Amino acid sequence: GENVEQHPSTLSVQEGDSAVIKCTYSDSASNYFPWYKQELGKGPQLIIDIRSNVGEKKDQRIAVTLNKTAKHFSLHITETQPEDSAVYFCGPGGADGLTFGKGTHLIIQP
Amino acid sequence: DAEITQSPRHKITETGRQVTLACHQTWNHNNMFWYRQDLGHGLRLIHYSYGVQDTNKGEVSDGYSVSRSNTEDLPLTLESAASSQTSVYFCATADRSRDTQYFGPGTRLTVL
Repeated sequence: GENVEQHPSTLSVQEGDSAVIKCTYSDSASNYFPWYKQELGKGPQLIIDIRSNVGEKKDQRIAVTLNKTAKHFSLHITETQPEDSAVYFCGPGGADGLTFGKGTHLIIQP
Repeated sequence: DAEITQSPRHKITETGRQVTLACHQTWNHNNMFWYRQDLGHGLRLIHYSYGVQDTNKGEVSDGYSVSRSNTEDLPLTLESAASSQTSVYFCATADRSRDTQYFGPGTRLTVL
């Protein structure tokens, strides 16, 4: 099965600074790489995803980069804002299912 | 707008009781999933279904069952609730690609 590791488990950044969360995976057959944001008391919400034929994807302040050779992908958030405070999960996989990391608690310091 | 609803949102029950958690979706997706979320474990797959009458076991299926009689609903049943099943349960659906999953708001279950 897929082994997924997510780092760091907690990340504290100053408002306005950038944040980077990394996800490593083991299954070379994985071809879909999503990131989810979970706010307190809510379900995970898909914020960005990338497929294996693309190296980078950007949507306003968030971006995902993929290194298939090294089997890792990263979430980049620029110009962080208080509303970015949440737990972020990666979930690599494909049509046979997703395996989720244990999450990164992102704290935005005012 | 299409959505996923889960009920109840909070449930307290006693050890040994049968409990059913409901999941209803209006996305018209064939693919539905149940996960549990626990501190230190992230999201773990319990059961999933790729269509009516189809059900499959996930990573942590012991003590749980599902049935799929229509496209919209995938109820999760705990046959005899145990304290180890205290958790937050999330239902999710996926479109034809099966990979992009959308989550419901969750049900917090406490087994005393």
